[in-house]
Amino acid sequence: GDSVTQMEGPVTLSEEAFLTINCTYTATGYPSLFWYVQYPGEGLQLLLKATKADDKGSNKGFEATYRKETTSFHLEKGSVQVSDSAVYFCALSSGGSNYKLTFGKGTLLTVNP
Amino acid sequence: DSGVTQTPKHLITATGQRVTLRCSPRSGDLSVYWYQQSLDQGLQFLIQYYNGEERAKGNILERFSAQQFPDLHSELNLSSLELGDSALYFCASSQQGGTAYGYTFGSGTRLTVV
Repeated sequence: GDSVTQMEGPVTLSEEAFLTINCTYTATGYPSLFWYVQYPGEGLQLLLKATKADDKGSNKGFEATYRKETTSFHLEKGSVQVSDSAVYFCALSSGGSNYKLTFGKGTLLTVNP
Repeated sequence: DSGVTQTPKHLITATGQRVTLRCSPRSGDLSVYWYQQSLDQGLQFLIQYYNGEERAKGNILERFSAQQFPDLHSELNLSSLELGDSALYFCASSQQGGTAYGYTFGSGTRLTVV
């Protein structure tokens, strides 16, 4: 079945540092890939998505490229801010009328001033 | 505000009891999904409704049930509650029946069973 593996946290960085959170997946067919972010006490918000191989999703300075050859969708940001502190979830949907998103376990990011 | 409304935000109840969680989807969205988030299991898909009909089931216990009403709001019913049912329960909605473009989450209901 579908599965998502993302790097274990927590990740602690200083402000303006470079961020990478690794995500790899196993899926049937050609999945769509997503990153969601969860701020403390809130629900999940869609951060970015990519629906086909080699697509790059981007939003708020975050980027991720859909790599079919390595089944990966790593999240990157060139310069993190304190306000980026949150839990980040990688997820996939196997496409079409597939009924659910399959999530990774989440990575807690803490950015210190 | 994501447009998906969940009530109540917090719920504390005793073992053996029954509770109902409510979700109003974003305007125009026909699909509603329920997820359970716990520390040990992560985010687990429970069930999906599309325009009033059950479309898919995930890891939903027999003690749990859900429905979607004609006005598209949905309710998740949890009965014979156990301590292990304590979790965050999220509702999400999307326009279409599928999730190829992701969906919008509510802020969740935190259930504590004592």
